[in-house]
Amino acid sequence: QKEVEQNSGPLSVPEGAIASLNCTYSDRGSQSFFWYRQYSGKSPELIMSIYSNGDKEDGRFTAQLNKASQYVSLLIRDSQPSDSATYLCAVRTGNDMRFGAGTRLTVKP
Amino acid sequence: DAGVTQSPTHLIKTRGQQVTLRCSPKSGHDTVSWYQQALGQGPQFIFQYYEEEERQRGNFPDRFSGHQFPNYSSELNVNALLLGDSALYLCASRMRGHTDTQYFGPGTRLTVL
Repeated sequence: QKEVEQNSGPLSVPEGAIASLNCTYSDRGSQSFFWYRQYSGKSPELIMSIYSNGDKEDGRFTAQLNKASQYVSLLIRDSQPSDSATYLCAVRTGNDMRFGAGTRLTVKP
Repeated sequence: DAGVTQSPTHLIKTRGQQVTLRCSPKSGHDTVSWYQQALGQGPQFIFQYYEEEERQRGNFPDRFSGHQFPNYSSELNVNALLLGDSALYLCASRMRGHTDTQYFGPGTRLTVL
């Protein structure tokens, strides 16, 4: 069983729509949860971190965490073509950081 | 303030050869982690260094080894290269104690023929 699972996509949304990205994890002891964005040929960059159940908003991005369901999501409001990238979910347990395979998002003008 | 830097950018090797990749952490950072990212996959943790010692290791064979220098820079060495070692190798640095704030370098693209 993969430890961090994401829908591989591709996910395609029109410009201005809400993009919803999902992630599940297997280790109930996981403490910290992250969303990274990775443009093609580039390295990952951190866009959101979340540590407690509920929602966390940062501009157009909202991260949601449900530890009971072992589920993390990222909502991108008013999606822009520049949001087209692969979004990686990462989960930290102790000093161990595990990444999902990523969901490729395309925002069409 | 320089971010994380890595060299070389690209590298082509043949099976059985050895390779050394280099990483300089962001200023003020003392902890370096290395990741392997195969095409279409997420980064996989190789190992982490601080105080010039390997502190944690992922599920990678002994062919993968590393080093950290007194200035916190780090090297990743891979011996007896296999075709499956072809990947983007990422270095990430952080300050010890700031577990969740790590910054990735641009990566080294290794191709094994």
